[in-house]
Amino acid sequence: QITLKESGPILVKPTRTLTLTCSFSGFSLTTRGVAVGWIRQPPGKALEWLGLIYWDDDKRYSPSLKNRVTITHDTFKNQVVLTMTNVDHVDTATYYCAHRRGFDYVSGYFDYWGPGDLVTVSS
Amino acid sequence: QSALTQPASMSGSPGQSITISCSGSTSDIGRYHFVSWYQQLPGRAPKVLIYDVSVRPSGTSARFSGSKSGNTASLTISGVRPEDEADYYCCSYTDSSPLYVFGTGTRVTVL
Repeated sequence: QITLKESGPILVKPTRTLTLTCSFSGFSLTTRGVAVGWIRQPPGKALEWLGLIYWDDDKRYSPSLKNRVTITHDTFKNQVVLTMTNVDHVDTATYYCAHRRGFDYVSGYFDYWGPGDLVTVSS
Repeated sequence: QSALTQPASMSGSPGQSITISCSGSTSDIGRYHFVSWYQQLPGRAPKVLIYDVSVRPSGTSARFSGSKSGNTASLTISGVRPEDEADYYCCSYTDSSPLYVFGTGTRVTVL
């Protein structure tokens, strides 16, 4: 059974760095075709894809974040970490991590999601 | 690469059919078969309903169906029920950045 769960701060001050951890079980992020993505949703707004880490540790990010985001994988802990620098009020959102099912780089959909972690950016 | 375009809201009476459109471009929906649809109940994480344009994962009701024509994908809810009240999002793989783009979302109301 695949499960994911996000954890991190509830409140972050502007200009600080946000670190969110996605703890997962039921799959290996070293299996070909597997990836873990981060998606966020500001209150009352639509979903926004932030980035993805693949089974081979390759990563892709949304250009809208302007190089503020980094995704890493801790193999031993079965965790994926999202780091976002220089946060602003517009980064207030529920952050989701999700298991991407696919067969290679060009494919896939998000079949399992964590419950989400609401992060508020405020001084 | 901007978000895929969906109608903001749609409504229907129980038993009716609702079709939600998702308009993209030749860089995403028009080029790839990797369109998925998600249902988001209030306060909950999204749940996949359809993937690869028209494939239902196990557990998705047969009342939900997906299709694609050109740069537009569609999700049809046949025989809509009160429990179908939710927000619905389309998503497509793209040939540029960002790699995946979501739709603007559609709120479905069952009258």
